[in-house]
Amino acid sequence: GDSVTQMEGPVTLSEEAFLTINCTYTATGYPSLFWYVQYPGEGLQLLLKATKADDKGSNKGFEATYRKETTSFHLEKGSVQVSDSAVYFCALYNQGGKLIFGQGTELSVKP
Amino acid sequence: DTGVSQNPRHKITKRGQNVTFRCDPISEHNRLYWYRQTLGQGPEFLTYFQNEAQLEKSRLLSDRFSAERPKGSFSTLEIQRTEQGDSAMYLCASTGAVNEKLFFGSGTQLSVL
Repeated sequence: GDSVTQMEGPVTLSEEAFLTINCTYTATGYPSLFWYVQYPGEGLQLLLKATKADDKGSNKGFEATYRKETTSFHLEKGSVQVSDSAVYFCALYNQGGKLIFGQGTELSVKP
Repeated sequence: DTGVSQNPRHKITKRGQNVTFRCDPISEHNRLYWYRQTLGQGPEFLTYFQNEAQLEKSRLLSDRFSAERPKGSFSTLEIQRTEQGDSAMYLCASTGAVNEKLFFGSGTQLSVL
């Protein structure tokens, strides 16, 4: 069945470091891809999305490119801040109309 | 737009008891989803509705779980004869269209003693 696999965390970085969180997927067809973020004590919220191959989603300095050939949607940010500390979830919308999540990657940014 | 509202925020119950959670989606959203999340894991799909119709229910869900969405507005999730393994955060989300972002509620944290 459809699934999403993320790199395991926690990821610990110093402020202003470069961030990559890997995400790969298995799905029938060409699903829409998402990154959601969960800040401490808050609910899940959409960070960015891409709906077709080669699309780049971006928001708050984060970017991810939909790579059909490698079935990947890696999240990147050039310079992380302490306020980016959160759990990040990669997800896909499958043909059945449901959102399927990866297991999440915890990011901790130290000053 | 007041967001997705879930009640209660926390529920503590004894094993074997029944519990019911409520979700009020964003008013114009016709799709409503239920997920379960345990510590260190991503949200796991349980079921979803389009208006009042329940379109899919996860095969992981036992018959002890049931969800309704009468009149296509709020939804309830009931767990009968709770077990300790049911302890988790239960999340509700809504959206106005397929492939559009889901708006999540803050969840109901269930603890089964």
